[in-house]
Amino acid sequence: ELKVEQNPLFLSMQEGKNYTIYCNYSTTSDRLYWYRQDPGKSLESLFVLLSNGAVKQEGRLMASLDTKARLSTLHITAAVHDLSATYFCAVDSSGTYKYIFGTGTRLKVLA
Amino acid sequence: DADVTQTPRNRITKTGKRIMLECSQTKGHDRMYWYRQDPGLGLRLIYYSFDVKDINKGEISDGYSVSRQAQAKFSLSLESAIPNQTALYFCATSGVRQMNTGELFFGEGSRLTVL
Repeated sequence: ELKVEQNPLFLSMQEGKNYTIYCNYSTTSDRLYWYRQDPGKSLESLFVLLSNGAVKQEGRLMASLDTKARLSTLHITAAVHDLSATYFCAVDSSGTYKYIFGTGTRLKVLA
Repeated sequence: DADVTQTPRNRITKTGKRIMLECSQTKGHDRMYWYRQDPGLGLRLIYYSFDVKDINKGEISDGYSVSRQAQAKFSLSLESAIPNQTALYFCATSGVRQMNTGELFFGEGSRLTVL
């Protein structure tokens, strides 16, 4: 059974700092997704990582995927307050279209 | 209008009552999903459906049932609601992998409180 773990669960950081969120999963998968959820809102797609070594960047966020290590990272560069949200990774287990989510990382960027 | 619409958005009910949450989509996607969100637990998959005749249990299907009335409609039922089913419920859709990236598109959520 696929397990998806994220860490940290909570992250409070100062504006301008860098940090990385980690997403580990337990079984083979070729696709990994990152979503963002603002408080009281729904989830929206951030990144789709399609293969080993994939790297995607959008503004201050960069996501990467290492399928051999079963690890994805979401790197935050020079954080700003607008990045405060909860970030989820999700994995499609071996092409079954059954998407399993991590527990989420609640990010708070302090001014 | 939203591509994935959930009704009701908020519902308070009592233990033992039957509740239905409805989801409809205009994205033309084949795959539809129901998740529940609880603080600290992330999103957990309840049921998912690839078409009207293909419905699958997810991680936590006990106490829930679903109906795929049409390609665009997927309903979640709680036959006899209990307090630990108090949660935020999300419907999501996804297209056919070969034609897109497989990412999920979410509705706005249905907040259910069971007293």
